[in-house]
Amino acid sequence: SQQGEEDPQALSIQEGENATMNCSYKTSINNLQWYRQNSGRGLVHLILIRSNEREKHSGRLRVTLDTSKKSSSLLITASRAADTASYFCATEEKGGSEKLVFGKGTKLTVNP
Amino acid sequence: NAGVTQTPKFQVLKTGQSMTLQCAQDMNHNSMYWYRQDPGMGLRLIYYSASEGTTDKGEVPNGYNVSRLNKREFSLRLESAAPSQTSVYFCASTLTGVREYFGAGTRLSVL
Repeated sequence: SQQGEEDPQALSIQEGENATMNCSYKTSINNLQWYRQNSGRGLVHLILIRSNEREKHSGRLRVTLDTSKKSSSLLITASRAADTASYFCATEEKGGSEKLVFGKGTKLTVNP
Repeated sequence: NAGVTQTPKFQVLKTGQSMTLQCAQDMNHNSMYWYRQDPGMGLRLIYYSASEGTTDKGEVPNGYNVSRLNKREFSLRLESAAPSQTSVYFCASTLTGVREYFGAGTRLSVL
């Protein structure tokens, strides 16, 4: 069964606004990763946050992790039309065999 | 540096036909993975290989077989394709505990 569950399933915003996507998971993890997928393409890694980290930044991306609530959020600031894509969280379970379990994704549309 | 290369990019099969999806990576990664992605769904793991010579089942292995030919190559075989296997298939590879690198995908239709 899939571990990560993103919320919302779809998000539509205007250029320049911030976009926040959330991910919940069920078991203890080693790390949580966020990926982006443009329509018809493969997934591209955005950012990885380890279980002992609470926040991480990369450019316009900010990821938070709350292991007590088993949840993570991805914030994209000052969004651009080019940010339009689906975003997936993926978790590597603690004690697992390096497998990632993906959520169903959030489809983000940034309107120009 | 090509990364992860999948072939073919597109394939149409008739029910009952067989085919092999090929995947190769040139990053000297130990672990390789096959996923399928269906509309509105995330990726579901079919099989993975943590090292050369080892393979393990993922979440949805039924109807598939895999072969880790060497460190670079990991193939996925459909012995008798079924319409339920219509999907987009992704291969990925990784070093231990870090990001996965994905191929561009194979769009498979089974009629």
